[in-house]
Amino acid sequence: AQRVTQPEKLLSVFKGAPVELKCNYSYSGSPELFWYVQYSRQRLQLLLRHISRESIKGFTADLNKGETSFHLKKPFAQEEDSAMYYCALSGRSGYSTLTFGKGTMLLVSP
Amino acid sequence: GAGVSQSPRYKVAKRGQDVALRCDPISGHVSLFWYQQALGQGPEFLTYFQNEAQLDKSGLPSDRFFAERPEGSVSTLKIQRTQQEDSAVYLCASSSSGGPYEQYFGPGTRLTVT
Repeated sequence: AQRVTQPEKLLSVFKGAPVELKCNYSYSGSPELFWYVQYSRQRLQLLLRHISRESIKGFTADLNKGETSFHLKKPFAQEEDSAMYYCALSGRSGYSTLTFGKGTMLLVSP
Repeated sequence: GAGVSQSPRYKVAKRGQDVALRCDPISGHVSLFWYQQALGQGPEFLTYFQNEAQLDKSGLPSDRFFAERPEGSVSTLKIQRTQQEDSAVYLCASSSSGGPYEQYFGPGTRLTVT
């Protein structure tokens, strides 16, 4: 069975501090990994996906197959980064539904 | 352009009532997904449509849950004889292809069963 674990419910940091939101997964095969974000009063939206190896809003995430992790990182947090972050995975074949973690709330204080 | 829309945004139902939740996907999107998000949890897959065909309903929690997309565009999720454990946010997402990369989510319908 596929599973996504986000061990932290809440992560609170000060503006300018580095941020790392942890995500571990279990999947028999090669998954696709994603980070979704939900800002206050907004809908869930894709932040980034591992396959594109891009940096969005200063965030990056590296897939570590050995540790089965896909942690989200940003060197200098901004107040506007405060949001709920969900790690998700899907299989590579067919239509592939998303399996989400429980989410981590990031609060960035001034 | 218009994104995915859902209605109603909020629904309060008494236990035992039937409810119908509507999803309007982005025009032209072939794939449509329904997810259920309980309080404090991440979204969980319910069912998937490709055009009008329901290809996967493995996530529907019971036979009280039924979904349809008769003309390959608008979809309705129906819950019969609602129970308190059905209280959740129901999310709809659409995609131009079957893959997950391009799933666009609606704002959700918050269902509260009293």
